[in-house]
Amino acid sequence: NAGVTQTPKFRVLKTGQSMTLLCAQDMNHEYMYWYRQDPGMGLRLIHYSVGEGTTAKGEVPDGYNVSRLKKQNFLLGLESAAPSQTSVYFCASSFQLTGRSGYTQYFGPGTRLTVL
Amino acid sequence: GQQLNQSPQSMFIQEGEDVSMNCTSSSIFNTWLWYKQDPGEGPVLLIALYKAGELTSNGRLTAQFGITRKDSFLNISASIPSDVGIYFCAGQLNTGTASKLTFGTGTRLQVTL
Repeated sequence: NAGVTQTPKFRVLKTGQSMTLLCAQDMNHEYMYWYRQDPGMGLRLIHYSVGEGTTAKGEVPDGYNVSRLKKQNFLLGLESAAPSQTSVYFCASSFQLTGRSGYTQYFGPGTRLTVL
Repeated sequence: GQQLNQSPQSMFIQEGEDVSMNCTSSSIFNTWLWYKQDPGEGPVLLIALYKAGELTSNGRLTAQFGITRKDSFLNISASIPSDVGIYFCAGQLNTGTASKLTFGTGTRLQVTL
């Protein structure tokens, strides 16, 4: 099992450009999450999904859109990138949202995005 | 959004020393979690705590869920070089399907030989 994978690993964008980050998991998890990590800020939840075809806003959703067309994939889109979106983006998945196994969120290796 | 305060922000210790770090919140949580993040990797869950006052160990790691439900502590005994990394606490307050984790700001641990 590959666990949680993310593509790309690195990306540099110019302000106003768009891009999509792909997250894939092969653990048949229902729940998937997108976080951003900034220096001194810890991880902040952008959007999450409780199942195929569902999405919900997290703590910092503005400027991002997501889609969960397939259970194993969770896409994060930036329609018009801004320098404030320079960050490291982590995808995670879990078996269920609550309960002991739900707290075991498995994280991908991250995508480092720079917006110039 | 809410952030959890972790202290210390960073620490240098010598191999073999014990380490203590803590996490505090202005609001209560039902669950406290501790993650470790290695350079260039995503966080990995170390310990999960589900009950106020609970003390749980995982090898050389021991964590406690504070009685007030507003804090948690992580101790690492006899540190080794592979303990280097960033340790994050996370709290969760169950609100049905809207349950989400709130992460702390991290404690960076560096071990000197």
